Amino acid sequence: DVKVTQSSRYLVKRTGEKVFLECVQDMDHENMFWYRQDPGLGLRLIYFSYDVKMKEKGDIPEGYSVSREKKERFSLILESASTNQTSMYLCASSLDLGGGRRTDTQYFGPGTRLTVL
Amino acid sequence: DQQVKQNSPSLSVQEGRISILNCDYTNSMFDYFLWYKKYPAEGPTFLISISSIKDKNEDGRFTVFLNKSAKHLSLHIVPSQPGDSAVYFCAASEQGAQKLVFGQGTRLTINP
Repeated sequence: DVKVTQSSRYLVKRTGEKVFLECVQDMDHENMFWYRQDPGLGLRLIYFSYDVKMKEKGDIPEGYSVSREKKERFSLILESASTNQTSMYLCASSLDLGGGRRTDTQYFGPGTRLTVL
Repeated sequence: DQQVKQNSPSLSVQEGRISILNCDYTNSMFDYFLWYKKYPAEGPTFLISISSIKDKNEDGRFTVFLNKSAKHLSLHIVPSQPGDSAVYFCAASEQGAQKLVFGQGTRLTINP
């Protein structure tokens, strides 16, 4: 079974702090994703990575950055946390079948509920 | 601009009856559609998918219907069970894309 783990289930930070959210997957997946989930807005893609050191902006990248130094680990960084970044953050990974073929099954971690005071 | 829309935030269904969850999309480049299920305090899990070359896909109690001309898909759960109570997300992707676009989610409650 694929396992995606996130470093914290709950996190409370203060405005202006630098925040690191870590995600690790154990299935050698090429693709990794960071989403945030907010009531009434569903899951919105922040950033994704299709290979080590590669990253692409999602739909709402402002205020965030990411790091992927190893294949199994994808970090989300809030350079200076703000109250509007209070949210549930979900990490996911998926396999790249190659040749332009797509794998649709994204495996999600349990989420980190971040509160910025 | 919400490309995938689930207009019903919540749905309540009696156990044993059919649950129908709806999803609309605006991007004509989407060619693959998925449903994910999410329990509280857990990440979403994949439920069922459908390619745009089909109009129906069935997996046990779950069936997804796709109406391309209307840019509409629906998830049918028959019969509904208490364990089906969860938030259901519709998602879509474009050909060749690795990323998914999700809807807002519908909270399904199955009443005994």
